Amino acid sequence: EPEVTQTPSHQVTQMGQEVILRCVPISNHLYFYWYRQILGQKVEFLVSFYNNEISEKSEIFDDQFSVERPDGSNFTLKIRSTKLEDSAMYFCASSWDRTSYEQYFGPGTRLTVT
Amino acid sequence: DQQVKQNSPSLSVQEGRISILNCDYTNSMFDYFLWYKKYPAEGPTFLISISSIKDKNEDGRFTVFLNKSAKHLSLHIVPSQPGDSAVYFCAASVRVGMLTFGGGTRLMVKP
Repeated sequence: EPEVTQTPSHQVTQMGQEVILRCVPISNHLYFYWYRQILGQKVEFLVSFYNNEISEKSEIFDDQFSVERPDGSNFTLKIRSTKLEDSAMYFCASSWDRTSYEQYFGPGTRLTVT
Repeated sequence: DQQVKQNSPSLSVQEGRISILNCDYTNSMFDYFLWYKKYPAEGPTFLISISSIKDKNEDGRFTVFLNKSAKHLSLHIVPSQPGDSAVYFCAASVRVGMLTFGGGTRLMVKP
């Protein structure tokens, strides 16, 4: 069964460093998402991406964040200068297209900022 | 942000019995609702969904009920199995795209 994959599973970085989280969405999906879950809190939407551009973003997704689909398979989330409060599980998700509500999630990347 | 709430942080049920997980929402613009299951160290797994034009959707042991007037939905699992033990999230969407999640309910099914 096709699945969303994410690498790395755990990333430790120092405050102020740049990190790139990688995702490979399900191959024929066209709509991509990033969510995060801070420990003990809800899963929160960050950004959606369709047709090589951002469709929607939340207040969390400020100038420190960016997304990119550098090739036909990968979808990345970059945090330019990490802060302690960026420590969270980051989930990538994908869905068929803009008519499909159901999103399929990857296993997540645990980001720890020290 | 309390647009989607799951008021029970945990639920314990005997194997074979019914599990009922509840979810309330405040935003009347939500038009689609989903349930996800999450095991530790894994991402949320899509379970079942329902459009706001329906009041029930069934898939095997899982049934979701939607009461729009009460802004309430519930997930019924019958019969419950030990493998169903996980955290269950309800999520809602105004349109295709951003999902707004509840805080989750940890279900424990005892053998």
